[in-house]
Order: sequence, then structure tokens, then C-alpha cells
Amino acid sequence: DAGITQSPRHKVTETGTPVTLRCHQTENHRYMYWYRQDPGHGLRLIHYSYGVKDTDKGEVSDGYSVSRSKTEDFLLTLESATSSQTSVYFCAIGVGFVDEQFFGPGTRLTVL
Amino acid sequence: KNEVEQSPQNLTAQEGEFITINCSYSVGISALHWLQQHPGGGIVSLFMLSSGKKKHGRLIATINIQEKHSSLHITASHPRDSAVYICAVSEKLVFGKGTKLTVNP
Repeated sequence: DAGITQSPRHKVTETGTPVTLRCHQTENHRYMYWYRQDPGHGLRLIHYSYGVKDTDKGEVSDGYSVSRSKTEDFLLTLESATSSQTSVYFCAIGVGFVDEQFFGPGTRLTVL
Repeated sequence: KNEVEQSPQNLTAQEGEFITINCSYSVGISALHWLQQHPGGGIVSLFMLSSGKKKHGRLIATINIQEKHSSLHITASHPRDSAVYICAVSEKLVFGKGTKLTVNP
């Protein structure tokens, strides 16, 4: 299994609070991705990174920011969480943009 | 407009049956992925293919680039195959909504 972890695995927070989710990999893959998964929508890309300090927006990036200061870590920040951001968040890694991706275990975030 | 459509949305089968899940897409792609999401939530990559057919154990994936269509087949299905199967197209990282498969003993 690819070495990819997410923390925390579960989080409950209140509307308006900042939240940071962490994705950590031990595979030295260039690409890292953040997705959210919601009933009726499937997986949707939030942001991705193609190297240290190199990031780009995905389909549903509004309300989210990311940072990648080290190859192994990709952080997803919700500056001011809203109830619409209640979701399961998955991180994934890959060698190239169109290559096979390996997924983390997911983080269940509830915004009250 | 959904760029990736899967059918059926839900599928129930008896153990041993041959299963087919379909994926159609509207954009030009160079590769398509099939993923499996276990009931516990974990997601595993099954196949990445750009042409023809790939086989892994009882799973077979095919793709027709001209017709923009891919199928995932499961031979001799087993209850442990129960999961959500998801297709995705590479270039735009767009995912289908998944097909929930339940295989009864």
C-alpha cells in the first residue's frame, strides 16, 4: 500500500472556525490532490499540487486554500468553515497528472 | 452536464453472476481509471487504461476510445466484491458518481 496518511480522521467544528487538514506521504510522489466526496456528487477535485509551492485549483476550490512547503505534506485549509463544507475529504498522490492515484483513508469533517 | 456517466447506479447480483458496469464520457481523454471504494470508505485504484483491455484476477476492464465508453466486468462475483465502483477520466480528473454493487451469497 502507498504510504499516505491523513490527519485528523474525524473532526467536528463550528461555522466560522478555521480548519486545516493534513495529507502526508512517504512515497516521494510529485503530485498530490485534495478531493471532497458528497452523496450524489461523487469525488470532486478541490486543489492539486505538482511540486513544492506549485498548486492549482480544481472544480470546487472556492472557500479552500492549500499549501505545500515540503514534498511529503499537502495541507488543505478552510479559512472560515461553513456547513456546506461538511464532507468526507480524500487526499491522493500520483507520479504524474494522468497516472494512477493512491488515496488516503479520508477525513470526515462536520461543520455545525 | 455530467462529463462522466456511469450505469447502473445500483446493482444487486447473486454470488457467481457475471457483472458489467458501464462508463461513458463526453471529453477527449488519454486514459480512464476504475476505482473501488470499500464499504468502510477506503478507495483503491483498480485499473488505468488507455486502449483495449486489462485483466486482474476476476476483474476485466475494457475501453473504446472512439465510442468514449469503458466497461468493468467481474466474473464469478463474490460477496466480497460488494463495493462502489467509480470511473474517472484522467485529464480533467472528473469522476463518475459510482455504481454501488451488492453481491448476495
